[in-house]
Amino acid sequence: GAGVSQSPSNKVTEKGKDVELRCDPISGHTALYWYRQSLGQGLEFLIYFQGNSAPDKSGLPSDRFSAERTGGSVSTLTIQRTQQEDSAVYLCASSQNSGAFGELFFGEGSRLTVL
Amino acid sequence: GENVEQHPSTLSVQEGDSAVIKCTYSDSASNYFPWYKQELGKRPQLIIDIRSNVGEKKDQRIAVTLNKTAKHFSLHITETQPEDSAVYFCAGDTGRRALTFGSGTRLQVQP
Repeated sequence: GAGVSQSPSNKVTEKGKDVELRCDPISGHTALYWYRQSLGQGLEFLIYFQGNSAPDKSGLPSDRFSAERTGGSVSTLTIQRTQQEDSAVYLCASSQNSGAFGELFFGEGSRLTVL
Repeated sequence: GENVEQHPSTLSVQEGDSAVIKCTYSDSASNYFPWYKQELGKRPQLIIDIRSNVGEKKDQRIAVTLNKTAKHFSLHITETQPEDSAVYFCAGDTGRRALTFGSGTRLQVQP
């Protein structure tokens, strides 16, 4: 596609439910990143993929968070047993390479609200 | 790991004035420093970047300077315009993991 696509754009869920957020990167981009942005805050790194493998998962806040990437393309971020503190905008980005200082292209984000 | 600190958190200037945003980083292995601009309700976008082998880079009204010895870098915007109003994020990259972003600076340009 022309840009990074994320879905859903908005998700409201009840505390304790599981949610899945999807990211479709720019075609041909091998690196994919997930960041979290709480209201008025900075960009908190969660996880990144090089191809289908995740060399760095150090940003995942707890074991309720997991992510996978299949076919070197689409990625899914799953949050189990959501908590109110999980409310944030989840941003996905892709780049042509990782570790090669390439530009990150961000999606519009998925806004998650946990009631 | 890398830690990037950014200040000020908010900055208000009059149209036509200059704006300066400063960042410091902790990992001396960092050698790439991009700046991203995020307009209200939109996605962050790269506006300028600098690699460690240069001390300054300019692109029209924006410039970035890097002091590797002191481990700090700055964004300079001259002749500010209302459309420059946004949140600006600095970042550092060691090449070993994903970009580490600063906490952001909300710039407001008053017409």
